[in-house]
Amino acid sequence: AQSVTQPDIHITVSEGASLELRCNYSYGATPYLFWYVQSPGQGLQLLLKYFSGDTLVQGIKGFEAEFKRSQSSFNLRKPSVHWSDAAEYFCAGYGQNFVFGPGTRLSVLP
Amino acid sequence: NAGVTQTPKFQVLKTGQSMTLQCAQDMNHNSMYWYRQDPGMGLRLIYYSASEGTTDKGEVPNGYNVSRLNKREFSLRLESAAPSQTSVYFCASSEPGTDTQYFGPGTRLTVL
Repeated sequence: AQSVTQPDIHITVSEGASLELRCNYSYGATPYLFWYVQSPGQGLQLLLKYFSGDTLVQGIKGFEAEFKRSQSSFNLRKPSVHWSDAAEYFCAGYGQNFVFGPGTRLSVLP
Repeated sequence: NAGVTQTPKFQVLKTGQSMTLQCAQDMNHNSMYWYRQDPGMGLRLIYYSASEGTTDKGEVPNGYNVSRLNKREFSLRLESAAPSQTSVYFCASSEPGTDTQYFGPGTRLTVL
């Protein structure tokens, strides 16, 4: 069965620190992979997506993600976190259908 | 270009009442989706429509019905609301080919 997991329910980082949010997928073949961000009370906004080709994908707001087939991972990174990055982050995969991970809530300390 | 719009933004129902959540997209997308979001559960697919005139069940369809009225509009109906349907509901549409999904702002529904 297709699945997407995000091992961290909640992460707290200091403003200016680097960030890595983990995502693992389980699919028969390499799915399309996505990261979305949801600010409180808002809908989901697409940060970036991976279909094929270069395994390092650049997104909006200074985020990037790296696809690693050997680890079935698609981790999201940002070199320096801003207070406005505090939100919930969802990893998703599309193979036969769209599957979302449970989300990781990011808190940012001043 | 408004993207994906949803109405209403908030709704409170009593158990047993019915209502319809409306969704429209102006991006000429073929596929549309309804999700519910509950704490710690991520998003779960209720129904989807791959094209005008077709609908299919997702992961949690019980208690819901949908109508794909035309290419733009995809509505979700609760015939007899239950407290377990208290949730935030999101509509989405996706680009042909890439299947990148774009989301509406959500409807926060409380069933008392």
